[in-house]
Amino acid sequence: AQTVTQSQPEMSVQEAETVTLSCTYDTSESDYYLFWYKQPPSRQMILVIRQEAYKQQNATENRFSVNFQKAAKSFSLKISDSQLGDAAMYFCAYTETSYDKVIFGPGTSLSVIP
Amino acid sequence: NAGVTQTPKFQVLKTGQSMTLQCAQDMNHEYMSWYRQDPGMGLRLIHYSVGAGITDQGEVPNGYNVSRSTTEDFPLRLLSAAPSQTSVYFCASSYSSTSSGANVLTFGAGSRLTVL
Repeated sequence: AQTVTQSQPEMSVQEAETVTLSCTYDTSESDYYLFWYKQPPSRQMILVIRQEAYKQQNATENRFSVNFQKAAKSFSLKISDSQLGDAAMYFCAYTETSYDKVIFGPGTSLSVIP
Repeated sequence: NAGVTQTPKFQVLKTGQSMTLQCAQDMNHEYMSWYRQDPGMGLRLIHYSVGAGITDQGEVPNGYNVSRSTTEDFPLRLLSAAPSQTSVYFCASSYSSTSSGANVLTFGAGSRLTVL
């Protein structure tokens, strides 16, 4: 079965600094999608970034970028110039095909220190 | 666009009671799913559906039933509530295409359920 692991239950970062959240996954498939979702205290889940496994180029969305290492099955999220509004739970997620189930990791709680 | 609407937002049940969490989406998404969120365990998939009339089990399906009679609605039923089902429940939907938005889940606001 596919699994998603986030080994850092909690992380903290100084405002304006850079932080990297780790995610590893287990799959035997070659084509899949990976995601990072953010859950602020409001509880609303928000997409941060999406990566297609067949694309070599790492996805980027403004201050958010990923380091996708397909052979190592690693998908880390880098947040640059951290802001107070980045404080949230961050979930890594995986899905194989357009209609397959989406599996989430246990999450990393990120605190931003002013 | 309302997106994904979940009701109720809060519910308290007694052990053994039954209830239905409602989920509706107005985006014509084919894929719908239910998750439960517990501290330290992330979101665990309960049931999912790839279209009307089609449902399948996720990681933690025991104690829950679903049906998908229309594209828009995907209710989650607790047949006999247990304290272990105390959790926050999320409904989510998505569509499939070759666009950059494919497979991106749109979530409801969540429903906090307490079983006493």
